[in-house]
Amino acid sequence: DGGITQSPKYLFRKEGQNVTLSCEQNLNHDAMYWYRQDPGQGLRLIYYSQIVNDFQKGDIAEGYSVSREKKESFPLTVTSAQKNPTAFYLCASSAQDSFFQETQYFGPGTRLLVL
Amino acid sequence: KNEVEQSPQNLTAQEGEFITINCSYSVGISALHWLQQHPGGGIVSLFMLSSGKKKHGRLIATINIQEKHSSLHITASHPRDSAVYICAVRGAQKLVFGQGTRLTINP
Repeated sequence: DGGITQSPKYLFRKEGQNVTLSCEQNLNHDAMYWYRQDPGQGLRLIYYSQIVNDFQKGDIAEGYSVSREKKESFPLTVTSAQKNPTAFYLCASSAQDSFFQETQYFGPGTRLLVL
Repeated sequence: KNEVEQSPQNLTAQEGEFITINCSYSVGISALHWLQQHPGGGIVSLFMLSSGKKKHGRLIATINIQEKHSSLHITASHPRDSAVYICAVRGAQKLVFGQGTRLTINP
């Protein structure tokens, strides 16, 4: 079945540690996105990629990094510079890079907790 | 003031009731999305609309561009409709999300 997978479902980070969240899609979508969700707030865009080997910062990119070496994969690294990383992270993809005009398909999410 | 405001924030109703969730926005938009987030966290896109009305099963979404307002209606609500419903608008080359409306339908 086509879809988006995220792993792990839960992730624990120690102080000063970098952690990487995985996002894979087999929908043959060009565009992929990373969002952060905090309680009582709307989703906020961290990074997005319209095409392989290219990505753009979203509204809250500080403390995060991404790569897009393959069309299917868009991993997100939460670096030690991100001082408040505890949140629910959602990956999404869409068929075209028409700046969010297309329907986005979301993964199941990864909950990141700080030890 | 947030660019996208949803009301109510929480809504509890009995099975079978007609449900309305509202979304008001303050920016010019080209499209509005309604999303459903299940208790486990997964999000499903319900509608994308830029004018008028769309219907899918028991769900109806309307938008009034002049009034900058959209509504999501659920007819004959069922406990499985219990979820967080999120409105998002496409502004200047980005999506802006509302904070969500938590809907609980009791049997």
